[in-house]
Amino acid sequence: EPEVTQTPSHQVTQMGQEVILRCVPISNHLYFYWYRQILGQKVEFLVSFYNNEISEKSEIFDDQFSVERPDGSNFTLKIRSTKLEDSAMYFCASSELGYGYTFGSGTRLTVV
Amino acid sequence: GQQLNQSPQSMFIQEGEDVSMNCTSSSIFNTWLWYKQDPGEGPVLLIALYKAGELTSNGRLTAQFGITRKDSFLNISASIPSDVGIYFCAGLTNAGNMLTFGGGTRLMVKP
Repeated sequence: EPEVTQTPSHQVTQMGQEVILRCVPISNHLYFYWYRQILGQKVEFLVSFYNNEISEKSEIFDDQFSVERPDGSNFTLKIRSTKLEDSAMYFCASSELGYGYTFGSGTRLTVV
Repeated sequence: GQQLNQSPQSMFIQEGEDVSMNCTSSSIFNTWLWYKQDPGEGPVLLIALYKAGELTSNGRLTAQFGITRKDSFLNISASIPSDVGIYFCAGLTNAGNMLTFGGGTRLMVKP
C-alpha cells in the first residue's frame, strides 16, 4: 500500500527558530496538502498545492508559513519564526484526483 | 467558514455492541469522508461517499451520504477492541479543495 512519508516524526525547536517539515507524497499523486492538529482538537486545513502553486490556503497559513516542492518527490512546509502556539501535529496529505486523501503519520512539532 | 458538527463527542461501549455517529453541516458538501485516527498517527480513510443518498459498506462499517448533502452517518456493527480510536467525518466541496473536519468521536470499547 503506497504511503505518504513524513520526517521527522518529532521536532523540538526554540521559539523564533525556523523549521522545515518534510513530506514525500505518493508518487503518482497530483494534489498535496498540509493540515495541523493541536493536541486534543480537530484537524485543520493549512494549504493545498497543485500544479506547482498554492491553490488554497486558510487563515492560519500566514506570512510565517511557506510551502515548496523542491524536486519531483518532496513537499515541504517551512515555518519562518516559530511561536509557542505553532506546537501541533502537522500532517501532510496527497491525493491523485483531489478526492480521497492519504495522510502521513505526522510530525509532532514542539516549540519551547 | 464551513463547520461540521459531529456527535457524539465520545462513546464508551461494550464489545459486540453497534455504534452510530453522525455529522451535520449548514453547508452542502459534494463528498463525505470518514477517517479513523489512532494515537500519534495520521487519519486513515475508512469510507468515501461521492453521491447524495449513497450507502457504502466496508466490512463492519457502513456510511451514508445524506440526501440533503448536509449530513452523513457512520455505523460500526459488532464492535471489537481494535475499533478504539477517534473517528472523524470530513466534507469536501470540490476536488482538490480543503477538507473540513468534524470535531471527532472518541470511541472506547470495553472487552
